[in-house]
Amino acid sequence: AQTVTQSQPEMSVQEAETVTLSCTYDTSESDYYLFWYKQPPSRQMILVIRQEAYKQQNATENRFSVNFQKAAKSFSLKISDSQLGDAAMYFCAYSLSGGSNYKLTFGKGTLLTVNP
Amino acid sequence: KAGVTQTPRYLIKTRGQQVTLSCSPISGHRSVSWYQQTPGQGLQFLFEYFSETQRNKGNFPGRFSGRQFSNSRSEMNVSTLELGDSALYLCASNLLLGGLSEQFFGPGTRLTVL
Repeated sequence: AQTVTQSQPEMSVQEAETVTLSCTYDTSESDYYLFWYKQPPSRQMILVIRQEAYKQQNATENRFSVNFQKAAKSFSLKISDSQLGDAAMYFCAYSLSGGSNYKLTFGKGTLLTVNP
Repeated sequence: KAGVTQTPRYLIKTRGQQVTLSCSPISGHRSVSWYQQTPGQGLQFLFEYFSETQRNKGNFPGRFSGRQFSNSRSEMNVSTLELGDSALYLCASNLLLGGLSEQFFGPGTRLTVL
């Protein structure tokens, strides 16, 4: 079974600084997706960034980027120029690739605090 | 385009009762997934429906069931409620676009079992 581990229950960062959230996963599959989701206090889960395992290039979305190390099964999220609105719970998630695979396996989450 | 709608947003029940939660996906989306979120267990996959058929199921007891209607709206039912069923229940509206799956989450239903 696939597992996702987030070893940092809480992290804090100063506004405008950079923070990196860690995630490791375990799978015997070679083709899969990895995600970072953000859940602000309002509870609506939002997709931050996605990485396809077959792509060597790390995904980037504006201030958000990932460091995907497939051999190490590591998938960290870097948030640059942190903003107050980035404060939220961040979940790392995994799913198998393929059209009908919508099942997400989540980590326990990292609560990010942004200090002004 | 309207987002994912979940009703009710909050619910209080007592042990032994049953409850039905509803999810309306984004228009045009035919797949819906359900997740349970608790402080202890985190986010856990319950099941996924596509065109009225359950395609995938998580590791939950038979008290948890679901269904999907022809308009893609989905309901999940929990019978004989236990205190441990208190959780945020999230619904995701799923779409396959260009070979990539996209999942859009609703605001959730907060269930409290007393």
